[in-house]
Amino acid sequence: QVQLVQSGAEVKKPGASVTVSCKASGYIFTNYAIHWVRQAPGQRLEWMGWINPDKGNTKFSQKFQDRVTITRDTSASTAYMDLYSLKSEDTGVYYCVRENVYGSGSYYIGQWGQGTLVTVSS
Amino acid sequence: EIVLTQSPATLSLSPGERATLSCRASQSISASLAWLQQKPGQTPRLLIYDASKRATDIPARFSGSGSGTDFTLTISSLEPEDFAVYYCQQRHNWPDTFGGGTKVEIK
Repeated sequence: QVQLVQSGAEVKKPGASVTVSCKASGYIFTNYAIHWVRQAPGQRLEWMGWINPDKGNTKFSQKFQDRVTITRDTSASTAYMDLYSLKSEDTGVYYCVRENVYGSGSYYIGQWGQGTLVTVSS
Repeated sequence: EIVLTQSPATLSLSPGERATLSCRASQSISASLAWLQQKPGQTPRLLIYDASKRATDIPARFSGSGSGTDFTLTISSLEPEDFAVYYCQQRHNWPDTFGGGTKVEIK
């Protein structure tokens, strides 16, 4: 079955960077886009960005585009999200999510990784 | 970016009652709307896509309606496992955005 397994929790100081990995299994990695979504405490879900694992092209929310990169290693079926210049407001749970095709061709996010808690604190 | 406003923030109901949740978009998103359910300690799960189509294995008591800017998720008769937080999400315009959520709690 489709599984997305993320790396473990991180504690970082303000100004540092963090990398969260997302290892996919149970399907052909290059066939489905991977999205990254953040859930900060008490805040709504936030879409951060997206990668096409086949071609490697990415797209980011304007809010994050100066501080985030998303990459992939197709040989390892793994996507990575790097967030730079961390601030306390970046504390939250970061999810990778696989895009699915529903019905006759509607694309929505589908399977979620288990989430990675990133805590930014001095 | 498109802002999604969900109401009410909290809905207190008893099992067996009908739940009606609202999601309003700041501009028209056609029918490019999904509803997700998140239970405590779990990841969100897709319930409805394209505003009104149930995802695989979603019970028939969940239904979605609406288009343009106003959308509704209805749970016809609440089961104990339905008490959770519900989010709407739009995919009409980049970037994807989510509503603030409605918590359905036991009265």
